Amino acid sequence: KQEVTQIPAALSVPEGENLVLNCSFTDSAIYNLQWFRQDPGKGLTSLLLIQSSQREQTSGRLNASLDKSSGRSTLYIAASQPGDSATYLCAVGGGTASKLTFGTGTRLQVTL
Amino acid sequence: NAGVMQNPRHLVRRRGQEARLRCSPMKGHSHVYWYRQLPEEGLKFMVYLQKENIIDESGMPKERFSAEFPKEGPSILRIQQVVRGDSAAYFCASSPMWPGATSYEQYFGPGTRLTVT
Repeated sequence: KQEVTQIPAALSVPEGENLVLNCSFTDSAIYNLQWFRQDPGKGLTSLLLIQSSQREQTSGRLNASLDKSSGRSTLYIAASQPGDSATYLCAVGGGTASKLTFGTGTRLQVTL
Repeated sequence: NAGVMQNPRHLVRRRGQEARLRCSPMKGHSHVYWYRQLPEEGLKFMVYLQKENIIDESGMPKERFSAEFPKEGPSILRIQQVVRGDSAAYFCASSPMWPGATSYEQYFGPGTRLTVT
């Protein structure tokens, strides 16, 4: 059974800092991995999708890496802004078009 | 291209009533997934459907819960005889399925927040 862990559970940084969010999973036989953002009381916004054959994906100030063999992914946020404050969720897909298994998230607060 | 649509956004039911949650996938998407987020918990998979077929229902409670995705119309998650423990946010996601699709990225709707009183 796949288990996904995210560390830290909460993080507070001043504006402008670069930061790294961590995600680990127990079963390395994954098909893909998605990073999402969730604002309080809202739905999920997909940030990045990494296929199992890829090592990293970039979108703007975000960079996600994947090390399948060690069961780890990181989300790097450059030059953080207050608008980045949200909960960040990591989710792994076990096969083509299969369900996602989610971590419990990292709650990020970027302060002025 | 509208995103995944869910309605209602908020639903209040008394214990013992039925709740019906609707999900319209993105245009061109034929895979629908339902997830539940209990208060202070992570998202948990419930069921995966394609048109007129349930593909994986390993996360569905054995009783009172059912889901369908008919040939025409939205996907429906139905909860019979609701109890307080059913209070949660229910999210629907969709992903594409066409020849050559490789990413199967899931796109999420805004969720339905069910409160059972």
